[in-house]
Amino acid sequence: EDQVTQSPEALRLQEGESSSLNCSYTVSGLRGLFWYRQDPGKGPEFLFTLYSAGEEKEKERLKATLTKKESFLHITAPKPEDSATYLCAVQTIYNTDKLIFGTGTRLQVFP
Amino acid sequence: SAVISQKPSRDICQRGTSLTIQCQVDSQVTMMFWYRQQPGQSLTLIATANQGSEATYESGFVIDKFPISRPNLTFSTLTVSNMSPEDSSIYLCSVVPGQNWEQFFGPGTRLTVL
Repeated sequence: EDQVTQSPEALRLQEGESSSLNCSYTVSGLRGLFWYRQDPGKGPEFLFTLYSAGEEKEKERLKATLTKKESFLHITAPKPEDSATYLCAVQTIYNTDKLIFGTGTRLQVFP
Repeated sequence: SAVISQKPSRDICQRGTSLTIQCQVDSQVTMMFWYRQQPGQSLTLIATANQGSEATYESGFVIDKFPISRPNLTFSTLTVSNMSPEDSSIYLCSVVPGQNWEQFFGPGTRLTVL
């Protein structure tokens, strides 16, 4: 069964304290892995798509990386406005219509 | 990307009633999806709504409970029928506007059933 697991469930950081969020996946054939940011009461906001192992993408303080088993979202020198829930989702080659979501990491950054 | 709006943004309903949620996109898209996000949980796909064909429902979701319309390439509705408190969730629509399969989400409809 295709599965996505995110860790940790929750993360509290001091402003400027860099860290990484993990997304582990078990799928029959990966087509793409997606990262989203979700603020309370809002829909998920698209961040990145990664397609192959070794690929990296960056946006401001965020960098996403991909291996054959997992993805990391690195947050460098976070600010309080980075506080949100970060979701990853996978798309398989057998059902490109469907995204399988993890349960998310709730990030809180304190000044 | 795409600009997506949903109506209503939130509602409080009585059990046994039905609510229709609207999703409007600012561009024509073939693929549109409806998701449910239960309190404290992640997103679960309810159905895929492609224009010109019947909606395709995921395991655990049925058309009688969640009828979907897709009258054109910019609009869709999801109805939550005969509601119970277990239907209290955020309902989200999403679209794939391009060829790279990136999905963009609407702001969601927060439904509370009493």
